[in-house]
Amino acid sequence: QKEVEQNSGPLSVPEGAIASLNCTYSDRGSQSFFWYRQYSGKSPELIMFIYSNGDKEDGRFTAQLNKASQYVSLLIRDSQPSDSATYLCAVNMKARGGADGLTFGKGTHLIIQP
Amino acid sequence: DVKVTQSSRYLVKRTGEKVFLECVQDMDHENMFWYRQDPGLGLRLIYFSYDVKMKEKGDIPEGYSVSREKKERFSLILESASTNQTSMYLCASQLGSGTGTDTQYFGPGTRLTVL
Repeated sequence: QKEVEQNSGPLSVPEGAIASLNCTYSDRGSQSFFWYRQYSGKSPELIMFIYSNGDKEDGRFTAQLNKASQYVSLLIRDSQPSDSATYLCAVNMKARGGADGLTFGKGTHLIIQP
Repeated sequence: DVKVTQSSRYLVKRTGEKVFLECVQDMDHENMFWYRQDPGLGLRLIYFSYDVKMKEKGDIPEGYSVSREKKERFSLILESASTNQTSMYLCASQLGSGTGTDTQYFGPGTRLTVL
């Protein structure tokens, strides 16, 4: 059974600080990892994807992947109130281009306090 | 930009009705997906399709069927709606296998209430 685990939160972070979101997954065969942001009442929107061990940076966002420990994390630097949302970690079992859907964690609710 | 549209944002149906949810993407994507999202349960895959007329069951296909007659359109069908199918339904599309990317793009969602 494929599982993706996240702390549901809420995670409260002061404005301007670094928010750290974590995710673990159960299947060592997982190849692709995604972070989505979902505002209340809206659909998920992609923030980042990562395939290889290590860090990947995009603006204020950094995704970190450690396949040996089966965890992936998302760091948000200089957190803004507009970053307040639920962050979903998603894992695709197949290597690039797999069409078997994504397994999602239940999401971490992040609150950035002004 | 990828655009995925869904036929309705809000839908109210009665128990036993046949319900059609439509999803259209405009980027010539090969793969399309239907998920439902419920509080405390997260997003769960119902069905997906990797080509016209091709479909695969996801994790929770019971009570649902799908249709993909054209590449751009993927329909979710509730043959006989029940109250436990009240949920947010999300459609997603993906470029295709072997393309070097498997990012999924979501439509705005349909909030279905079954009375």
